[in-house]
Amino acid sequence: DARVTQTPRHKVTEMGQEVTMRCQPILGHNTVFWYRQTMMQGLELLAYFRNRAPLDDSGMPKDRFSAEMPDATLATLKIQPSEPRDSAVYFCASGLGLAGPQETQYFGPGTRLLVL
Amino acid sequence: GQNIDQPTEMTATEGAIVQINCTYQTSGFNGLFWYQQHAGEAPTFLSYNVLDGLEEKGRFSSFLSRSKGYSYLLLKELQMKDSASYLCAVRYNTDKLIFGTGTRLQVFP
Repeated sequence: DARVTQTPRHKVTEMGQEVTMRCQPILGHNTVFWYRQTMMQGLELLAYFRNRAPLDDSGMPKDRFSAEMPDATLATLKIQPSEPRDSAVYFCASGLGLAGPQETQYFGPGTRLLVL
Repeated sequence: GQNIDQPTEMTATEGAIVQINCTYQTSGFNGLFWYQQHAGEAPTFLSYNVLDGLEEKGRFSSFLSRSKGYSYLLLKELQMKDSASYLCAVRYNTDKLIFGTGTRLQVFP
């Protein structure tokens, strides 16, 4: 069945290292979202794309975070350099981007990141 | 800002009914979603409201009042597997969702 996939599922790294997270949206979905979830802040939108074009990245720290969609089947979120405060679960979600119930966002399993 | 408020925690007994409330700012409202998230897992879609009234889906129902900026999720015949966090999310333009911090529901036998 169709689902969003994310890799890696878990990542432990040291402060200052680069982290790259990948997401494969559901085939046919034209919107892709990156979220970060922590106990304190809950689920926060970092960036989102429609038809591979970035529409909003206002939730993303610009100096260290970058998000791209090299093609329709791959979205990436990079952190360089990583810091301990970046430790969180990062979710990717995709959607059809249509009006009505079809606009539901479907979440991937997440990448659990720990920066030491 | 676009604050979304929901209780942090709730408890209930198996077989009972529980109502989880959510309030939000009404300006620019374009739909409200409820998601369920079990510990360590991804959020999964439960319901969607864009018009006032009640949407029923089996044991789960969701209500919306746009004028009051208010929604609730009603869970009937609670089961142990319903122990999870319930996230209220509001859409303020075409695609962007703003999530509340979630309500952690614990169901006891």
